[in-house]
Amino acid sequence: EAGVAQSPRYKIIEKRQSVAFWCNPISGHATLYWYQQILGQGPKLLIQFQNNGVVDDSQLPKDRFSAERLKGVDSTLKIQPAKLEDSAVYLCASSWDRNSPLHFGNGTRLTVT
Amino acid sequence: EDQVTQSPEALRLQEGESSSLNCSYTVSGLRGLFWYRQDPGKGPEFLFTLYSAGEEKEKERLKATLTKKESFLHITAPKPEDSATYLCAVQTTQGGSEKLVFGKGTKLTVNP
Repeated sequence: EAGVAQSPRYKIIEKRQSVAFWCNPISGHATLYWYQQILGQGPKLLIQFQNNGVVDDSQLPKDRFSAERLKGVDSTLKIQPAKLEDSAVYLCASSWDRNSPLHFGNGTRLTVT
Repeated sequence: EDQVTQSPEALRLQEGESSSLNCSYTVSGLRGLFWYRQDPGKGPEFLFTLYSAGEEKEKERLKATLTKKESFLHITAPKPEDSATYLCAVQTTQGGSEKLVFGKGTKLTVNP
């Protein structure tokens, strides 16, 4: 089966600019997650979708981050405006349901200068 | 607050030298414990899920075990291709929703 697809792989922006990341999950996976992984740390959940709906966005900085999942398939994560501390790898993952193992994409490495 | 602590942070082994990685956790309600492997520049790759104390899972040179407070990932006769960061994550239930909390990982280097 095809894995989780993410783009772009790398992005360099200046602080206060905006950026968007795209994710296409494994076909049929109802649950989609966005994680932030800072260098040397484990992934931290930003937002979790079940089909079209948001299940958990308690750790999403809503003043600058937004995410949507259209038609229960693809998802985009946006940061506007970016701060230096947003430099990290943004990982998208999907699973059959909330109790199944997560399958991760290879992430987007964001550098904010 | 749910916490997942992995030790050591980094481990260097010679090829064939067996060892164990530790994952200790403090969570309000454990639903499951997951082990992932992460190679540089890649996303985490699922290895095992453990649900109850006493459970064990094996895959090639890896064996994962679970107690009420911690999990171990045993690596038997490792090879250089086992070099990676190993992440532990616990699934808990908070406020009616499932949440996966990751540790910081153990970076394993196996020298030939």
